[in-house]
Amino acid sequence: DVKVTQSSRYLVKRTGEKVFLECVQDMDHENMFWYRQDPGLGLRLIYFSYDVKMKEKGDIPEGYSVSREKKERFSLILESASTNQTSMYLCASSLGGQSYEQYFGPGTRLTVT
Amino acid sequence: DAKTTQPTSMDCAEGRAANLPCNHSTISGNEYVYWYRQIHSQGPQYIIHGLKNNETNEMASLIITEDRKSSTLILPHATLRDTAVYYCIVRVDASGGSYIPTFGRGTSLIVHP
Repeated sequence: DVKVTQSSRYLVKRTGEKVFLECVQDMDHENMFWYRQDPGLGLRLIYFSYDVKMKEKGDIPEGYSVSREKKERFSLILESASTNQTSMYLCASSLGGQSYEQYFGPGTRLTVT
Repeated sequence: DAKTTQPTSMDCAEGRAANLPCNHSTISGNEYVYWYRQIHSQGPQYIIHGLKNNETNEMASLIITEDRKSSTLILPHATLRDTAVYYCIVRVDASGGSYIPTFGRGTSLIVHP
């Protein structure tokens, strides 16, 4: 069974803290993605990776960085968390090439106080 | 990149067919139309995709107009569990030959008893 897991369902951090959100997929997928979802704005792409150590900016990369040292793991890093980064964060993976079917994790609801 | 337009919300009676429209008038010849849905508090779930021909699977049917400028997702016998936000998306080319979907705001479908 296809599986994308995220390290936490709920997370509360303070302003200025460094935050790591981890995502792991067990499907040997090439592509991995990080989105954030806010009410009324839908899903917005932050970063994606189409190979190990490769990354590309999405629509809203400011304030975020990513790391993909292993194929199965894609980390989203908030170097200095701010209150406007309070959101639902969703990780996804897809096979690669022209495969467009994405598999999503359950999401991490991050609150920055 | 082809953009999509969907109604903000729709409702449907349980047991009836739900027809969700999507406009993608700027779609190019080699772009696929994909549909996902997101049930509250979960990550999005792939439903179906198509290029030109109508498609059907165990979840839904996808009808694409001959000029490919619009499509309709059909849930033939909607149930309460089909209440969700439905996203119609087309592919976006990215580096390395991978394809990145862009999610809009989707249609919030409410199935009522």
